[in-house]
Amino acid sequence: DVKVTQSSRYLVKRTGEKVFLECVQDMDHENMFWYRQDPGLGLRLIYFSYDVKMKEKGDIPEGYSVSREKKERFSLILESASTNQTSMYLCASSQYNTGGTEAFFGQGTRLTVV
Amino acid sequence: AQSVTQLGSHVSVSEGALVLLRCNYSSSVPPYLFWYVQYPNQGLQLLLKYTSAATLVKGINGFEAEFKKSETSFHLTKPSAHMSDAAEYFCAVSGSNFNKFYFGSGTKLNVKP
Repeated sequence: DVKVTQSSRYLVKRTGEKVFLECVQDMDHENMFWYRQDPGLGLRLIYFSYDVKMKEKGDIPEGYSVSREKKERFSLILESASTNQTSMYLCASSQYNTGGTEAFFGQGTRLTVV
Repeated sequence: AQSVTQLGSHVSVSEGALVLLRCNYSSSVPPYLFWYVQYPNQGLQLLLKYTSAATLVKGINGFEAEFKKSETSFHLTKPSAHMSDAAEYFCAVSGSNFNKFYFGSGTKLNVKP
């Protein structure tokens, strides 16, 4: 059974803290993604990675960075958390090919910044 | 550029009634289209996908979707709603660009007894 695992289901952090969200996949997928989900806005892509140490900005990268040192792990970093980063964060992975393969999602991390 | 529009942020149907969730896409390349379902406090689960093999695609839990190129649509249907279908549904498109996925804003389906 394919699996994408996010390290925390719920997190509460203080404004200004550096926050790490971790994601691990066991499917040997090349692509990994971080999305942010807010009511009425759907899923918005923050960053994605198509290979180890390779990354590309998504639609809303401001205030975030990522790290992919190993193929199976993709970390999202909030350099200095702010209250407007309170949201649900979803990690996903997919196989790279010419197209048509689906993304597999983790359970999500609900982050609250106070 | 690729994008997805889902018409109706909330849809309410009675149990046993037809479910119709609308999705229109914009893509400059032949698209790959997906429907996902999300139950409360869960991640997204794939319902079905279109990859150009057949225009009518059948998925899990009795859902199906039809790709209509002339209408740039990929609407999701189910003949008879069940209470367990209550969830949020997302349409997504991917194409070129290393399989990036672009999601619609979601439609919450409510099923009334």
